[in-house]
Amino acid sequence: DAGVTQSPTHLIKTRGQQVTLRCSPKSGHDTVSWYQQALGQGPQFIFQYYEEEERQRGNFPDRFSGHQFPNYSSELNVNALLLGDSALYLCASRWLAGGSGEMNTQYFGPGTRLTVL
Amino acid sequence: GNSVTQMEGPVTLSEEAFLTINCTYTATGYPSLFWYVQYPGEGLQLLLKATKADDKGSNKGFEATYRKETTSFHLEKGSVQVSDSAVYFCALSDRSGGSNYKLTFGKGTLLTVNP
Repeated sequence: DAGVTQSPTHLIKTRGQQVTLRCSPKSGHDTVSWYQQALGQGPQFIFQYYEEEERQRGNFPDRFSGHQFPNYSSELNVNALLLGDSALYLCASRWLAGGSGEMNTQYFGPGTRLTVL
Repeated sequence: GNSVTQMEGPVTLSEEAFLTINCTYTATGYPSLFWYVQYPGEGLQLLLKATKADDKGSNKGFEATYRKETTSFHLEKGSVQVSDSAVYFCALSDRSGGSNYKLTFGKGTLLTVNP
């Protein structure tokens, strides 16, 4: 059973550039969320996608955008990169139609480490 | 809004010592509670969860009980091993206020276990 996968593992960009991160959810999952984890901090919710639409958004600027594809995979795009965008970006998936024990349980990928110079 | 407060680390223990990491929460609805673990250089792994009051989650010798009256979900293990060294995150999710099960995390507690 394949878990959540993310690519690339590491990425180095310069200020002002744009970046795209990719995520494939756990098999059978239909909902994908993205989180930003700054060094030494807990993850912060960016947004959540279900049925190819953004369903909920955290306190992040419009420079952060996303997409979900028909196969449930997802992309996170960040424009006009700032030094403060350097972080580990985590993708999590869950099964919206799962029973009460599973529909609220998210499983995380290994993350993409983004460094902005 | 929702929030999670967990014991700040770092916590350093000797192998076979007893572990407690405190976690309290504030939530407007009826949240589910989670402990995630993050090993160096890796993503988050779900350690255990509890979905309603008085539930006990357990896994790999770790336990936590959902205490609604004290709004707490403390993580315990009777005998830690060197391999338990990691960062532990307490988190909650619920559907209140349109949160749609997004996770709210604490800041994490770094545990180091020495042989």
